[in-house]
Amino acid sequence: KAGVTQTPRYLIKTRGQQVTLSCSPISGHRSVSWYQQTPGQGLQFLFEYFSETQRNKGNFPGRFSGRQFSNSRSEMNVSTLELGDSALYLCASSAEALHEQYFGPGTRLTVT
Amino acid sequence: AQKVTQAQTEISVVEKEDVTLDCVYETRDTTYYLFWYKQPPSGELVFLIRRNSFDEQNEISGRYSWNFQKSTSSFNFTITASQVVDSAVYFCALSEAQTGANNLFFGTGTRLTVIP
Repeated sequence: KAGVTQTPRYLIKTRGQQVTLSCSPISGHRSVSWYQQTPGQGLQFLFEYFSETQRNKGNFPGRFSGRQFSNSRSEMNVSTLELGDSALYLCASSAEALHEQYFGPGTRLTVT
Repeated sequence: AQKVTQAQTEISVVEKEDVTLDCVYETRDTTYYLFWYKQPPSGELVFLIRRNSFDEQNEISGRYSWNFQKSTSSFNFTITASQVVDSAVYFCALSEAQTGANNLFFGTGTRLTVIP
């Protein structure tokens, strides 16, 4: 089975812009979760989608949003980018809740 | 509130030595799951193990073994006969059943360097 894929792998944006990241889960997995990884805050949960519905959300401002499509592919959007949004954004897929999550290679976002 | 503590920030060992990575967790939930992930320099998190709160049996997988002790809220990870390829950052994580969702709380990670 193909693993979790994320596009793009690298992205450079300017403050105030918006960005959309994409994630394709492992075939058959209906849950997609997003995490932010920074040197200062570590790995933090952003949100999870299951069958096109947001099931859980972490403690991030409303500038961070996401959605999931009927084929389980997911996108996350960050509007009005800030320098502090520079991070590695990781997507993970899982067959069911509380099962192991398999991570993609991540998207490295740099905000200048 | 939930919390995962990995007190060891960095560990260096010489190849073939055994090494144990510590993980202590806090949760009010009676049903929860614990995980270990490996993050090599490439950046992708690699799943290693998942353990539920009702299963305290130790597990061994090749050179890897895990010791889960509810009495001390610990879920430690031992690598036997370490190899250079084991060099990575290792994360312990917790998921609580009451959330009913895939929400992993990660520790800060332990960077393991295996010296040839």
